[in-house]
Amino acid sequence: DVKVTQSSRYLVKRTGEKVFLECVQDMDHENMFWYRQDPGLGLRLIYFSYDVKMKEKGDIPEGYSVSREKKERFSLILESASTNQTSMYLCASSSGGGAWGKGYGYTFGSGTRLTVV
Amino acid sequence: SQQGEEDPQALSIQEGENATMNCSYKTSINNLQWYRQNSGRGLVHLILIRSNEREKHSGRLRVTLDTSKKSSSLLITASRAADTASYFCATDDSSYKLIFGSGTRLLVRP
Repeated sequence: DVKVTQSSRYLVKRTGEKVFLECVQDMDHENMFWYRQDPGLGLRLIYFSYDVKMKEKGDIPEGYSVSREKKERFSLILESASTNQTSMYLCASSSGGGAWGKGYGYTFGSGTRLTVV
Repeated sequence: SQQGEEDPQALSIQEGENATMNCSYKTSINNLQWYRQNSGRGLVHLILIRSNEREKHSGRLRVTLDTSKKSSSLLITASRAADTASYFCATDDSSYKLIFGSGTRLLVRP
């Protein structure tokens, strides 16, 4: 059964901490994505990557960075966590040529609910 | 920025009834996808319809696409309590990413 695994389901961090959210996929997908989901705002794209060591800003990259050193792993980093980053974070992956051409769906992880206090 | 907008925002039906959700979008697309999200979980891909297709079926799901009206609908027939979830449309406009709508919350009452 193919999977996208997010390392934590729930996370509580303090303001100012550096936070790492990890995402691993076992489908050999080229593309990986980080979204955050907030009530009333839907899913908003933070960053995505279409290849190892490649990254592109999404719609709301401020306060975040990402790392993709290996094809299967895409990490989201909150450099200095703030309370307005309390949210559900969703990682997804798709196969090459995916979203912009060949039309494959995304596979999502179960999400990480992050609370910053 | 939101591309797909679902309508209605919330829908409550009796088990066995059909549920219809609509999605409107603004720009040209390559394909449109529907996803389901159970409470507090990740999204699950349901069905994809390409811009040159008008209708697609998968089990109890039927999706239509009208590119002239920039709209799509998702029909769930003979609904079950287990269909209770939020449903999202997502559009692929060749910009390397999907853009998701704000979702329809479906409640199927036993």
